Amino acid sequence: DGGITQSPKYLFRKEGQNVTLSCEQNLNHDAMYWYRQDPGQGLRLIYYSQIVNDFQKGDIAEGYSVSREKKESFPLTVTSAQKNPTAFYLCASSISGGSDTQYFGPGTRLTVL
Amino acid sequence: AQSVTQPDIHITVSEGASLELRCNYSYGATPYLFWYVQSPGQGLQLLLKYFSGDTLVQGIKGFEAEFKRSQSSFNLRKPSVHWSDAAEYFCAVVGGGADGLTFGKGTHLIIQP
Repeated sequence: DGGITQSPKYLFRKEGQNVTLSCEQNLNHDAMYWYRQDPGQGLRLIYYSQIVNDFQKGDIAEGYSVSREKKESFPLTVTSAQKNPTAFYLCASSISGGSDTQYFGPGTRLTVL
Repeated sequence: AQSVTQPDIHITVSEGASLELRCNYSYGATPYLFWYVQSPGQGLQLLLKYFSGDTLVQGIKGFEAEFKRSQSSFNLRKPSVHWSDAAEYFCAVVGGGADGLTFGKGTHLIIQP
């Protein structure tokens, strides 16, 4: 079954701790993306990667970091520098970026206590 | 920079009635436009997309959308809604580059029995 998996679905962390969200895809897509969703705000782009070992900042990259060591995986770390980390985080992938259709994972809801 | 406006935050429609969700975009060149649907706590599912050609595009679940360049609009329509259509709907645009999608803030669709 091809698709995008995100784990865990719910994540709780204490303030000041870094936390890493997982995103894996078996669609053989080159491009991967991370979005943040807040109520009434739509989705905003955090980071994206068009190819292994390369990634670019999106509109709201401050306080986040990513890595792309494998084509299938694009983990997102929410650092303690992120001022308001509680949100719903969505990962997406597309064949090769640009205008290609993006397919989304089920999301991870992060709550910082 | 590109942007998307969804003027209606909430829309309530009776089951069986027709539906139109509005989307206006701002982009300097020919846009690539998408409509996604999101059920509570879930990821996004692609309904339809417009790249070029016929300005009326058909999607899944009986949805269609019409691209009107003169009005910078890409409104989503359905002739008869079902209770299962209750969800959040997002319009999105992407340019030719690799910057990821720019989303509207979403329209929350409520279906009345």
